[in-house]
Amino acid sequence: AQTVTQSQPEMSVQEAETVTLSCTYDTSENNYYLFWYKQPPSRQMILVIRQEAYKQQNATENRFSVNFQKAAKSFSLKISDSQLGDTAMYFCAFVPLEAQFEGLTFGTGTRLTIIP
Amino acid sequence: ETGVTQSPTHLIKTRGQQVTLRCSSQSGHNTVSWYQQALGQGPQFIFQYYREEENGRGNFPPRFSGLQFPNYSSELNVNALELDDSALYLCASSLEWQVNTDTQYFGPGTRLTVL
Repeated sequence: AQTVTQSQPEMSVQEAETVTLSCTYDTSENNYYLFWYKQPPSRQMILVIRQEAYKQQNATENRFSVNFQKAAKSFSLKISDSQLGDTAMYFCAFVPLEAQFEGLTFGTGTRLTIIP
Repeated sequence: ETGVTQSPTHLIKTRGQQVTLRCSSQSGHNTVSWYQQALGQGPQFIFQYYREEENGRGNFPPRFSGLQFPNYSSELNVNALELDDSALYLCASSLEWQVNTDTQYFGPGTRLTVL
């Protein structure tokens, strides 16, 4: 069974600063995908970024980038030039390539607040 | 928004009752997944339907069941409600069943309270 751990229940940062959210996972699988999802207050959860485990290069999407350390089973999300609209719950999620019918495994989330 | 809708928004039931939650996927999306998100927790996978057949299930008892219809709508049914069933129920739709590469589009959720 896979587990995903997000050790920072809450974080806050000033607008325009950079913030890094942590995620670690435990698995015996070698091929898998990792995700960061954003759940704004009273709004729908949306995909922020996706990383394929067999790719060495860290994924980036505009102001969002990841630091994927496969050996350490670590997958952190960096948000640069943070904006008020980044305020949300952020969930790290995992799915093994060979067990996609088991759905995504999510962490418990980090509540991020951007301070004006 | 994601184009996925859910109804009702909120629901209050009594222990032992049955409930049906509804989801309307994006048109053309063949897969719908359901998740349970307890307060302060991340979503937990209940099951997944692909082209009207269940093709994946998480660690939930049989009293959690579902249906998917040809018109891209789906249902989650829960029988014999228990207090621990109180949660936000999310549905997510995607084009195909490959969760790794197919982006899942989540609905806003149904908040179920069991008294």
